[in-house]
Amino acid sequence: SQQGEEDPQALSIQEGENATMNCSYKTSINNLQWYRQNSGRGLVHLILIRSNEREKHSGRLRVTLDTSKKSSSLLITASRAADTASYFCATDTGRRALTFGSGTRLQVQP
Amino acid sequence: DGGITQSPKYLFRKEGQNVTLSCEQNLNHDAMYWYRQDPGQGLRLIYYSQIVNDFQKGDIAEGYSVSREKKESFPLTVTSAQKNPTAFYLCASSTSTSGVAGETQYFGPGTRLLVL
Repeated sequence: SQQGEEDPQALSIQEGENATMNCSYKTSINNLQWYRQNSGRGLVHLILIRSNEREKHSGRLRVTLDTSKKSSSLLITASRAADTASYFCATDTGRRALTFGSGTRLQVQP
Repeated sequence: DGGITQSPKYLFRKEGQNVTLSCEQNLNHDAMYWYRQDPGQGLRLIYYSQIVNDFQKGDIAEGYSVSREKKESFPLTVTSAQKNPTAFYLCASSTSTSGVAGETQYFGPGTRLLVL
């Protein structure tokens, strides 16, 4: 079963709006990472948040982590059409490779 | 240019045939990974390697085989035992498999495997 599950599965917004995606996981983690995938391409790392951090920013991205609820959220502010992609959370439990969730497909309408 | 490359971009497999997907990295990373992605789905780990001449099964290793004879190369063979091989295959690398410091993975562009 998946360690991380994203919610919603799909999200459609207008350009300029904010997009929020959530990720829930099951076991304790060392860190949680967010990746982006354009259609038919490889994944690109966006941001990493460690288990002892609660919030992190990178440009228009804001990630939060609540280890008591085993959940994380990714906020993209002032979205652009170029942000259209699938977004995946991945958890590092310290045991082996990252475990990826099933992703949120974001569509930003121009 | 540093990066991770996969070839070919598209690969066609006939019934009963073994095919090999190439993955090369020049990032000097110790760890390499193979994932399978089905349409609209997340990534599932097939095999991973922490160091040369060593590799471990992931969640869906049946019907696949790998080798790690060189640090920069981690080819994946899809054998005839894999009955449903049609998928998008992604290779990735990182400095190590995991740790408190956190390791990000760098992905190749992927290979799409189709069955004739």
